[in-house]
Amino acid sequence: DAKTTQPPSMDCAEGRAANLPCNHSTISGNEYVYWYRQIHSQGPQYIIHGLKNNETNEMASLIITEDRKSSTLILPHATLRDTAVYYCIVRSANNAGNMLTFGGGTRLMVKP
Amino acid sequence: GAVVSQHPSRVICKSGTSVKIECRSLDFQATTMFWYRQFPKQSLMLMATSNEGSKATYEQGVEKDKFLINHASLTLSTLTVTSAHPEDSSFYICSARAPDRPYEQYFGPGTRLTVT
Repeated sequence: DAKTTQPPSMDCAEGRAANLPCNHSTISGNEYVYWYRQIHSQGPQYIIHGLKNNETNEMASLIITEDRKSSTLILPHATLRDTAVYYCIVRSANNAGNMLTFGGGTRLMVKP
Repeated sequence: GAVVSQHPSRVICKSGTSVKIECRSLDFQATTMFWYRQFPKQSLMLMATSNEGSKATYEQGVEKDKFLINHASLTLSTLTVTSAHPEDSSFYICSARAPDRPYEQYFGPGTRLTVT
């Protein structure tokens, strides 16, 4: 599976949009982009995933560039409860084991 | 949504003893479960993959005789840390995959193990 690069930390003001970038320049055609987050001392929580098209759900939006080499997770109105480590993971659709390889993630701090 | 539970949520044990951690899928049958370990301020590291009814597949560097994994049913996997030592103190997290949703993985809340 392709490796991802994320900034180690970011701050965001409460109520503002949080835009978390992820680079995956070696992504291949059959690899999906997944986002999970981990609130302190809890298990990771699935947020969203996509292949080519932009995706939106009740938690966030995922914007994938046309060349698929990078993506951005958008939390439209960040709250204090969104403070967490956000992991961008690229996983092959052919990954029969479905295992996820976690990188360092981005520690998002939402401030009042 | 799919729910995965872990028990206990935290445990303290003495060096040399064994500890069992349970991972249960509450509202779905999990053909595959994964065990991760997370040290403070570090990311999750996959320890092993377990498939119901077969032996677990361990990642390189993980001692299979020390970390015993049993996935005897479609809703339960257990991780036993044998002869625990202080360096085994960590946050252990399981996740589960449902056969009808192969692209999603559901994580448990984690178990914090402290070995004194």
